[in-house]
Amino acid sequence: LAKTTQPISMDSYEGQEVNITCSHNNIATNDYITWYQQFPSQGPRFIIQGYKTKVTNEVASLFIPADRKSSTLSLPRVSLSDTAVYYCLVGDIGFGNEKLTFGTGTRLTIIP
Amino acid sequence: DSGVTQTPKHLITATGQRVTLRCSPRSGDLSVYWYQQSLDQGLQFLIHYYNGEERAKGNILERFSAQQFPDLHSELNLSSLELGDSALYFCASSVEDSTSGANVLTFGAGSRLTVL
Repeated sequence: LAKTTQPISMDSYEGQEVNITCSHNNIATNDYITWYQQFPSQGPRFIIQGYKTKVTNEVASLFIPADRKSSTLSLPRVSLSDTAVYYCLVGDIGFGNEKLTFGTGTRLTIIP
Repeated sequence: DSGVTQTPKHLITATGQRVTLRCSPRSGDLSVYWYQQSLDQGLQFLIHYYNGEERAKGNILERFSAQQFPDLHSELNLSSLELGDSALYFCASSVEDSTSGANVLTFGAGSRLTVL
């Protein structure tokens, strides 16, 4: 499973766009990139998943360059409720990557 | 509601004791993953079961064991408990993402274990 590197923490003001980048230099051909959000004392929640280029859903966008060695989660116009820890996870449990290990995540704090 | 059910939500016990945590995956999901999260720590993968069979082990202590039953619910048994075992224990099952077609994890609300 590809090891990931993310910033430990980030601060942003309400209403701003937030971009969190994850590095995964040894990503494998069959690996997907998945982002999860975790609030204190709750289980992580799936945000978005992609393989290449750009994916967008109702809550976020995921940008993946052609070499796939990094990815950027983009949260548009954040609010206080977006304060959480965000995890980048690389792999696909459908291809034998059962040891899905999360990194330390990025603690995002939204400032009023 | 994620559809993954974990019981109990909270558990307080003493060192040396044994506890059992229970997880029921989403209806139709065959996989169960167990994770441990200590205070201000990341999620540590413990073990994965698929349709009753162990598929992968992470950094799971020998004092811990798990199993998945024919009805697909899973139990995580923690014995000879130590203070350091105090943590949130999460269970997850896998579902297919409608956009990518790949599988993602859906987590339960967790069981908070406090060892005194």
